[in-house]
Amino acid sequence: EIVLTQSPATLSLSPGERATLSCRASQSVSSYLAWYQQKPGQAPRLLIYDASNRATGIPARFSGSGSGTDFTLTISSLESEDFAVYYCHQRSNWGGVTFGQGTRLEIK
Amino acid sequence: EVQLVESGGGLVQPGGSLRLSCEASGVTFSSYAMSWVRQAPGKGLEWVSAIIGSGGSTYYADSVKGRFTISRDNSKNTLYLQMNSLRGEDTAIYYCAKALGPYFGSGSYSDYWGQGTLVTVSS
Repeated sequence: EIVLTQSPATLSLSPGERATLSCRASQSVSSYLAWYQQKPGQAPRLLIYDASNRATGIPARFSGSGSGTDFTLTISSLESEDFAVYYCHQRSNWGGVTFGQGTRLEIK
Repeated sequence: EVQLVESGGGLVQPGGSLRLSCEASGVTFSSYAMSWVRQAPGKGLEWVSAIIGSGGSTYYADSVKGRFTISRDNSKNTLYLQMNSLRGEDTAIYYCAKALGPYFGSGSYSDYWGQGTLVTVSS
């Protein structure tokens, strides 16, 4: 099973700033990586799939990059509604199905 | 609009059983794989099980293999999770989630999620 490690655990930023969240896989997942956003009391929401493709209805300020073992989710200019927990997720035939432990993005 | 509504959660004693249901609407249900993902209180996400659109193949996390059974009734647009031999560590919110396509291969992600149903295993 592939382990996903997210960093940092908590990120404190102000609205308007740029956020960079990282996800590292214990072995290559090719580009089979997604990012989800979860707000308190809500279900997760798919943001990015296949490392860099925005899901339907996701604003352009969200972007994903990376391949192999190192991935990044970037939020170009934070809006108030972006403060949440973010999870990376991989589904590969060789590595099972796993989620990262999450990065909490909080208002500074 | 795609909607997924889970039901069947509740309080159960260790060793007991529960059956969760997830009714889908606004989607051609048989065209999509479905998953169950759980989240223990204050913790992260853990994938539990998945089933392809036709119901012909199922997948399980090691932590639930042999105790949980996933199934679907495409005529009723409903996904199920039969949970037996429940343990305290199974306590969580259980979400059903729709995949992007009919199979559960590499790159199968979930684009729609229900609001979850809480399962509490305690004596």
